[in-house]
Amino acid sequence: KNQVEQSPQSLIILEGKNCTLQCNYTVSPFSNLRWYKQDTGRGPVSLTIMTFSENTKSNGRYTATLDADTKQSSLHITASQLSDSASYICVVHGGTASKLTFGTGTRLQVTL
Amino acid sequence: GAVVSQHPSWVICKSGTSVKIECRSLDFQATTMFWYRQFPKQSLMLMATSNEGSKATYEQGVEKDKFLINHASLTLSTLTVTSAHPEDSSFYICSARVRNEKLFFGSGTQLSVL
Repeated sequence: KNQVEQSPQSLIILEGKNCTLQCNYTVSPFSNLRWYKQDTGRGPVSLTIMTFSENTKSNGRYTATLDADTKQSSLHITASQLSDSASYICVVHGGTASKLTFGTGTRLQVTL
Repeated sequence: GAVVSQHPSWVICKSGTSVKIECRSLDFQATTMFWYRQFPKQSLMLMATSNEGSKATYEQGVEKDKFLINHASLTLSTLTVTSAHPEDSSFYICSARVRNEKLFFGSGTQLSVL
């Protein structure tokens, strides 16, 4: 069964600190992995998309890594800001039906 | 980047009424749009895939007669929740796919059925 698991479920950090969110998946065959940021009451916004051959991709203070061998990805946020408070969703595209499988997300709260 | 406009942002309705949610791709043509629902603190769950000019494909467990999807043009897909009941209260989100596989999401619609 295709699954995407994210950890931690929630996280609170101080403004200015770094953090890393984890994503493990069992989707096969694999097409690509995406990280989205979803503010409360809004639709998700794309942060990165990575294919099999890409190990790292950055978007400003967001850096995603992918290890296709171990089926793991991480999203590193550098110098967090209050506006980073949101849910971060890992989505894997693949499987025999070529569908998107959504993780349950990590709720990040950045505080003063 | 591409913009997907979703309306309304929120709607409150009485039980038994029908509610229509619109999803528009503003600066591109979307041959495929997706509809999701999301319960509090849960991830998005795909309800159906909407293809322009053809019938939508519904996920298992989603009632096609209750959640009517129309994708009449390359820039507009609508989801109608028919005879809404309190258990249909949820956050509904659409997304549209562009050629390079990028997915752009609407801003969502919070439906509250009284």
